[in-house]
Amino acid sequence: GNSVTQMEGPVTLSEEAFLTINCTYTATGYPSLFWYVQYPGEGLQLLLKATKADDKGSNKGFEATYRKETTSFHLEKGSVQVSDSAVYFCALSEGAQGAQKLVFGQGTRLTINP
Amino acid sequence: NAGVTQTPKFRILKIGQSMTLQCAQDMNHNYMYWYRQDPGMGLKLIYYSVGAGITDKGEVPNGYNVSRSTTEDFPLRLELAAPSQTSVYFCASSLISSGGRNEQFFGPGTRLTVL
Repeated sequence: GNSVTQMEGPVTLSEEAFLTINCTYTATGYPSLFWYVQYPGEGLQLLLKATKADDKGSNKGFEATYRKETTSFHLEKGSVQVSDSAVYFCALSEGAQGAQKLVFGQGTRLTINP
Repeated sequence: NAGVTQTPKFRILKIGQSMTLQCAQDMNHNYMYWYRQDPGMGLKLIYYSVGAGITDKGEVPNGYNVSRSTTEDFPLRLELAAPSQTSVYFCASSLISSGGRNEQFFGPGTRLTVL
């Protein structure tokens, strides 16, 4: 079946450092890819998404490019802030129409120190 | 809009007890979902619904039941609680879009402990 693998956490960086969180996937067909963020005590929020190969999703300074040849969707940010501390989930959706059954990676906890 | 709301926020159950986790959304979304999140793991889909009166199993449905009598509400029922059901439960909803790649909106979660 479909699956998502994220880099192991936790990740701790200093403010203004460069961030990469790796995500690779296994899927049949052509899934959409997502990054969700979970701030402490809250539910998940969509951070960005890409729906086809070579698409780049971006939001709040974060970017990720849908790489079909390497089955990857790595999350990057050029200069992180303390407020970026959260758990980040990579996910793919199964099914082109209708209910989007999301398959999640295990999550990567990110802590940014001032 | 309140978005997706869940009650209760926390609950402790004894083995064998039953309870219903409530979920409601006020965005007139067609689709609703229940996930569980175990420590250090990603979310796993329990059940989902494509509209009132229609539900289907996800990846981990055993031990749970759902119903969808209205567009707004999607309760999750645990009949005989077991320690393996200790988890954080998230409800989500989404609206079909022309591209079919619809964003899911999540509630704040219910933390359930079964002792």
